[in-house]
Amino acid sequence: DAKTTQPTSMDCAEGRAANLPCNHSTISGNEYVYWYRQIHSQGPQYIIHGLKNNETNEMASLIITEDRKSSTLILPHATLRDTAVYYCIVRRSGNTPLVFGKGTRLSVIA
Amino acid sequence: NAGVTQTPKFQVLKTGQSMTLQCAQDMNHNSMYWYRQDPGMGLRLIYYSASEGTTDKGEVPNGYNVSRLNKREFSLRLESAAPSQTSVYFCASSEMAGSFQPQHFGDGTRLSIL
Repeated sequence: DAKTTQPTSMDCAEGRAANLPCNHSTISGNEYVYWYRQIHSQGPQYIIHGLKNNETNEMASLIITEDRKSSTLILPHATLRDTAVYYCIVRRSGNTPLVFGKGTRLSVIA
Repeated sequence: NAGVTQTPKFQVLKTGQSMTLQCAQDMNHNSMYWYRQDPGMGLRLIYYSASEGTTDKGEVPNGYNVSRLNKREFSLRLESAAPSQTSVYFCASSEMAGSFQPQHFGDGTRLSIL
């Protein structure tokens, strides 16, 4: 599976959009981009995934560049409860296990 | 909905003791996983079971054994606990079929080995 690079930490003001970048320059054609988050002391929570099209659900939007070498997770109106570590993961379709890096620690500030 | 249930939530062991961490899921998922998370680190895969009756090693399998008891349950055993195994352990499950399979995680077992 392709490796990912994320900033170590980011801050975001409450109510503003949080834009979390992820670089996956070695991604191959059959690999999906997944985002999970982990709120302190809890298990990771699935957020969203995509292959090449932009995706949106009730939690977030995922923007994938045309060359698929990077993506951005967007939380449109961040709240204090969105403070967490966010993981960007690239893996093949099927049942391959997830490989977690260190993620981005997002702090939402009042 | 219970989802993925892990027991116990907390445990303290002495070096050399043995212990089994239990995990059960009620989502009829085929695949189950065990991860560990050390302070300031991401999750690392210990073992996984793609389907009932199969198990495979992950990134950090040494010192652990697993049993896929049935479709619902996947246990992790420490035969002789070592301080280096102090960690938070997460169990997860996912469906097997299809091109997209989000993993669903339990809330973890916090294990300290003295």
